[in-house]
Amino acid sequence: QVQLQESGPGLVKPSQTLSLTCTVSGGSISSGSYYWSWIRQPAGKGLEWIGRIYTSGSTNYNPSLKSRVTISVDTSKNQFSLKLSSVTAADTAVYYCARDKVGGIDYWGQGTLVTVSS
Amino acid sequence: DIQLTQSPSFLSASVGDRVTITCRASQGISSYLAWYQQKPGKAPKLLIYAASTLQSGVPSRFSGSGSGTEFTLTISSLQPEDFATYYCQQLNSYLRTFGQGTKVEIK
Repeated sequence: QVQLQESGPGLVKPSQTLSLTCTVSGGSISSGSYYWSWIRQPAGKGLEWIGRIYTSGSTNYNPSLKSRVTISVDTSKNQFSLKLSSVTAADTAVYYCARDKVGGIDYWGQGTLVTVSS
Repeated sequence: DIQLTQSPSFLSASVGDRVTITCRASQGISSYLAWYQQKPGKAPKLLIYAASTLQSGVPSRFSGSGSGTEFTLTISSLQPEDFATYYCQQLNSYLRTFGQGTKVEIK
């Protein structure tokens, strides 16, 4: 059973960089034809797709965030990571990492709340 | 960008009711649509992919249909554990947009 777990600071100051890591267990991040994704959800609001990475390193980003987002993968650690620069209060949200198969997102992390505040 | 519009945004129903949620895409997406269920404080759960294929382990009272620009999620007989928020997501383009969600509440 594949499991994903987000980790990283729960509080980030405005203008700084948000950094999160997702650790995948129960399977190799390199096996299968999967993308590894980040999605976020502000409190009481809907889901926003941030971006994804394939194990080859190929990435796709939401154009609304593209200038500030970097997603990377470390296959040796079975992890992938999110960096979001120049954060503001609008970036406060629960951040989910997830596995994106051809038909949809079948495995999700539990989510981690990141608050942007001084 | 492909926009998804769900209707209704809120739905009040009783246990045993048949419930239908619609998701409309701003352009044709073939059958590249998934449905998710999200309960408070939890991650979304994949219910249906490829518009009509039930994800493993999902009860058969859930079904999906549609192609092109109009899709529906149907719950044939609403159960207490089905009160949640439902999202559609398009997978036709690399930008995997979600609908705004439909909250199903107890009447």
